Amino acid sequence: AQSVSQHNHHVILSEAASLELGCNYSYGGTVNLFWYVQYPGQHLQLLLKYFSGDPLVKGIKGFEAEFIKSKFSFNLRKPSVQWSDTAEYFCAVTGVNTGFQKLVFGTGTRLLVSP
Amino acid sequence: NAGVTQTPKFQVLKTGQSMTLQCAQDMNHNSMYWYRQDPGMGLRLIYYSASEGTTDKGEVPNGYNVSRLNKREFSLRLESAAPSQTSVYFCATSPGGEGADTQYFGPGTRLTVL
Repeated sequence: AQSVSQHNHHVILSEAASLELGCNYSYGGTVNLFWYVQYPGQHLQLLLKYFSGDPLVKGIKGFEAEFIKSKFSFNLRKPSVQWSDTAEYFCAVTGVNTGFQKLVFGTGTRLLVSP
Repeated sequence: NAGVTQTPKFQVLKTGQSMTLQCAQDMNHNSMYWYRQDPGMGLRLIYYSASEGTTDKGEVPNGYNVSRLNKREFSLRLESAAPSQTSVYFCATSPGGEGADTQYFGPGTRLTVL
């Protein structure tokens, strides 16, 4: 069964600082990878996803993530954060096999951006 | 389009009471899911329905039951609520019959069990 680790539980940054949130997964086969974001008081929204192809994927609001297969990682990055990026970020993974595949979420990273 | 809707938004129950959380989608998606979100634990899958007419247990199904009423609706029932079921519950949908699809989430139901 797959699992996801997000090592940073809380991150505090000043506006314009660069962001990198770590995500490592455990699964022996091919995976699809996701980053979801939950703004305060809102539901989860898809930030970006990787299914195949270019391992550097770009999402909404200037976010990007790089899939490094050899490191089982899918870290999220943003060059310059804004106060509006304050949110909780979830990495998720699903194995690509025959049959129905369920999404497994990490425990989340709470980001606070101070103005 | 409303997307994924959930009712109620908030609920307070006493231990032992029962209730049903409702989820409806107008996205014509085949698959639907129920998650619970607890601080420091992320989202955990309670039950899912890969397609209309099927339901299966997820990671934390104990104390819950589900019904896939039709393609649009997927309800979650707590037969005898316990304080450990205090949580935020999210319904989600995905287009195809495969879990690898992107999932779309509802606004959540905040449940407190006293």
